Amino acid sequence: DTGVSQDPRHKITKRGQNVTFRCDPISEHNRLYWYRQTLGQGPEFLTYFQNEAQLEKSRLLSDRFSAERPKGSFSTLEIQRTEQGDSAMYLCASSFSDRSNQPQHFGDGTRLSIL
Amino acid sequence: AQSVAQPEDQVNVAEGNPLTVKCTYSVSGNPYLFWYVQYPNRGLQFLLKYITGDNLVKGSYGFEAEFNKSQTSFHLKKPSALVSDSALYFCAGHLSGGYQKVTFGTGTKLQVIP
Repeated sequence: DTGVSQDPRHKITKRGQNVTFRCDPISEHNRLYWYRQTLGQGPEFLTYFQNEAQLEKSRLLSDRFSAERPKGSFSTLEIQRTEQGDSAMYLCASSFSDRSNQPQHFGDGTRLSIL
Repeated sequence: AQSVAQPEDQVNVAEGNPLTVKCTYSVSGNPYLFWYVQYPNRGLQFLLKYITGDNLVKGSYGFEAEFNKSQTSFHLKKPSALVSDSALYFCAGHLSGGYQKVTFGTGTKLQVIP
């Protein structure tokens, strides 16, 4: 079990730039989740994939955010025209869907800082 | 609607003493409840879960949690705290059945004092 990996670990960019993050889930996991976490808060749900299908998106996910999981394996989260308020830790998690009681396994996140 | 609440932002406990981190839930139906721990600049690590059955659930690193349906609580406990237990703890939950979105609490910072 190599765990969930996220790349990059840190991203610093200027306001208005586009950024893309990558998540590689645990290989046998078919569910993949993206969360955003700000200081002092718990993870906030952004979106969820089962295999390659994006099944749910939070209202937090504005038009500037898009996520893909093209082959049902790795996923990317893109933020266009970044804003100061996008500064946060972006967490990816994966799980196996045979039963709904399976815990999610988290990566170490990508910390985004907008200058 | 479902929600999970952690009423304490921070809990301080002396090393060797028992610790409790509180969690209450509001779920209309049968809840699945989880505890996760987060160390600085790391993702969340799964500690334990309640699905059904025994109300006392044992998990990783000597932690356990007690499910109390009448009080809608799922408090995390450990008989003897270690300095290395100092971290951020999150309670999470969702309804049973199929895919259900997980709701996380706001977290409790546990500080174990040597």
